[in-house]
Amino acid sequence: GAVVSQHPSWVICKSGTSVKIECRSLDFQATTMFWYRQFPKQSLMLMATSNEGSKATYEQGVEKDKFLINHASLTLSTLTVTSAHPEDSSFYICSAEVRGQGIYGYTFGSGTRLTVV
Amino acid sequence: TQLLEQSPQFLSIQEGENLTVYCNSSSVFSSLQWYRQEPGEGPVLLVTVVTGGEVKKLKRLTFQFGDARKDSSLHITAAQPGDTGLYLCAGVEANQGNLIFGKGTKLSVKP
Repeated sequence: GAVVSQHPSWVICKSGTSVKIECRSLDFQATTMFWYRQFPKQSLMLMATSNEGSKATYEQGVEKDKFLINHASLTLSTLTVTSAHPEDSSFYICSAEVRGQGIYGYTFGSGTRLTVV
Repeated sequence: TQLLEQSPQFLSIQEGENLTVYCNSSSVFSSLQWYRQEPGEGPVLLVTVVTGGEVKKLKRLTFQFGDARKDSSLHITAAQPGDTGLYLCAGVEANQGNLIFGKGTKLSVKP
């Protein structure tokens, strides 16, 4: 149980275009979804926290107009990278907190490898 | 400022050896989790520790939470090539809600 499905797994886009990444909680309701960015050989850096039905909270240094987050339902959160540039190329991962059934932790999506050319 | 210091950053050992990975902080955590991440995949939760001094075992993996809930360790006994991966510790600061990650330990176990 407690699976987060993330799509796409990888995407290549041209500089200046926008890319949408989706994360769905398959068998539980995710009131809060966390979005991370991970550069090669580095750890996860929290970008923003999205709450269902309200505006996302962005970490310092993350441009909210560039990384649009929508959490319209308890099972779906999306991250749109707008006007992508090569420096936006990275591994993006979403996660949701899980409590219950003997589990307390965070379940992660499988990640999206974004390459901007 | 890195709130959660994880060491070592890289570890390359032979099959059958033992190893320990450490996570240290000056902050108190309400809980601390260990994850394992394969290349191109999201992290997978291994264990959550919440009580100071707690020890949890998962087959050949032993996790310990410090008495003061500021540090944790992961010990792997008789490592196998299948243990190869990136191990991440992550903590939820007491009175805060965010999950903070260590920089990770990249483990390579050679047959």
